[in-house]
Amino acid sequence: GAVVSQHPSRVICKSGTSVKIECRSLDFQATTMFWYRQFPKQSLMLMATSNEGSKATYEQGVEKDKFLINHASLTLSTLTVTSAHPEDSSFYICSASHRGSGLYEQYFGPGTRLTVT
Amino acid sequence: GESVGLHLPTLSVQEGDNSIINCAYSNSASDYFIWYKQESGKGPQFIIDIRSNMDKRQGQRVTVLLNKTVKHLSLQIAATQPGDSAVYFCAERGMKTSYDKVIFGPGTSLSVIP
Repeated sequence: GAVVSQHPSRVICKSGTSVKIECRSLDFQATTMFWYRQFPKQSLMLMATSNEGSKATYEQGVEKDKFLINHASLTLSTLTVTSAHPEDSSFYICSASHRGSGLYEQYFGPGTRLTVT
Repeated sequence: GESVGLHLPTLSVQEGDNSIINCAYSNSASDYFIWYKQESGKGPQFIIDIRSNMDKRQGQRVTVLLNKTVKHLSLQIAATQPGDSAVYFCAERGMKTSYDKVIFGPGTSLSVIP
């Protein structure tokens, strides 16, 4: 149980275009999902916290107008990278929060590799 | 955004030896610590966790030690195997609410020499 999927796994887009990444909790409902970005040989950096039915909370330094997050249902959050540039090329990973045994655990998706040409 | 560290330290270990990966955490209020393994091109994979009211926890071939006094975590892998080659991250978070964030440490790249 507690599986998180991401789609697509890889995407290549041209500079200036927008790309949408989906994060789904497959067998549980997630009130809260998180989006991370990871550059090569670096750690995962939290970008934003996504709450179902409300606006996302962005970390300092992350442009909310560039990285649009929509958490439309308890099983789906989307991250849209608008007007993508080569420096946005990165590995994007989502996670979903699930309450088990009275405490909240997080389950991570497999990641989406974005390449902007 | 919140992040720690820019470049991965590396650790090379002979197959069959024990590995020890260390991590310093920043938030003394964190009540839950996790070790993740990340293979190339994949998301983080849960290895073992420990709560702040414990100082040691053992799993299969892995042991996590927590020293709250100096805010230090370590992951010990017994009889390291080639399949253990990956990047290992320590992470800290709260567990009381659904929006408690997981904050990752800088990571250590483990390379197992056959």
